[in-house]
Amino acid sequence: DVVMTQSPLSLPVTLGQPASISCRSSQRLVYSDGNTRLSWFQQRPGQSPRRLISKVSNRDSGVPDRFSGSGSGTDFTLKISRVEAEDVGVYHCMQSTHWPHTFGQGTKLEI
Amino acid sequence: EVQLVESGGDLVRPGGSLRLSCAVSGFTFSRYWMNWIRQAPGMGLEWVANISPDGSQVYYVDSVKGRFTISRDNAKNSLHLQMNSLRADDTAVYYCSRDTDSWGQGTLVTVSS
Repeated sequence: DVVMTQSPLSLPVTLGQPASISCRSSQRLVYSDGNTRLSWFQQRPGQSPRRLISKVSNRDSGVPDRFSGSGSGTDFTLKISRVEAEDVGVYHCMQSTHWPHTFGQGTKLEI
Repeated sequence: EVQLVESGGDLVRPGGSLRLSCAVSGFTFSRYWMNWIRQAPGMGLEWVANISPDGSQVYYVDSVKGRFTISRDNAKNSLHLQMNSLRADDTAVYYCSRDTDSWGQGTLVTVSS
């Protein structure tokens, strides 16, 4: 199985400051169609996960543009340009290139 | 509005069975891959299974193969997860998800004697 490793696992941040989360995969994530199937999810306290980004860098509808995704191969990053209070929660990366699909351990972002 | 509503979670003894359901609305169900994803208490997310739009392709994580069966009824806009031979480590909130871009609120499965 593809192992997804996130760092850090805990991320204290200051409001208005940037934040960055790393996600590394044990195998390359390029699918046969040429796309890299790496997604990011936000899970606020007590809520279901919400997808923020798909295919490395495509923001979902309604996701603020302060969220951005980048990376290639086995190394990916989620960045928040200026953290807001509503961003508190756990962030998960997931690969859906290889079966079974796998998630990272999650990164807890706290103010 | 896309809606996914899970049901069927319960307290069950080890070795028992449960059938989870997910009722969907607000989109053309028969066009989408559907997933079951779970989250054990205080833990991260674990992808469990998914099924192709026409139901011809199904995939499972190794830990549930042979015990869980994912299925769908496109005429009734519903997704199901039949869970047999349940174990304590199957205890989790189970989420139904449309191609991971939309999620339900989850249903809690507790396996305990």
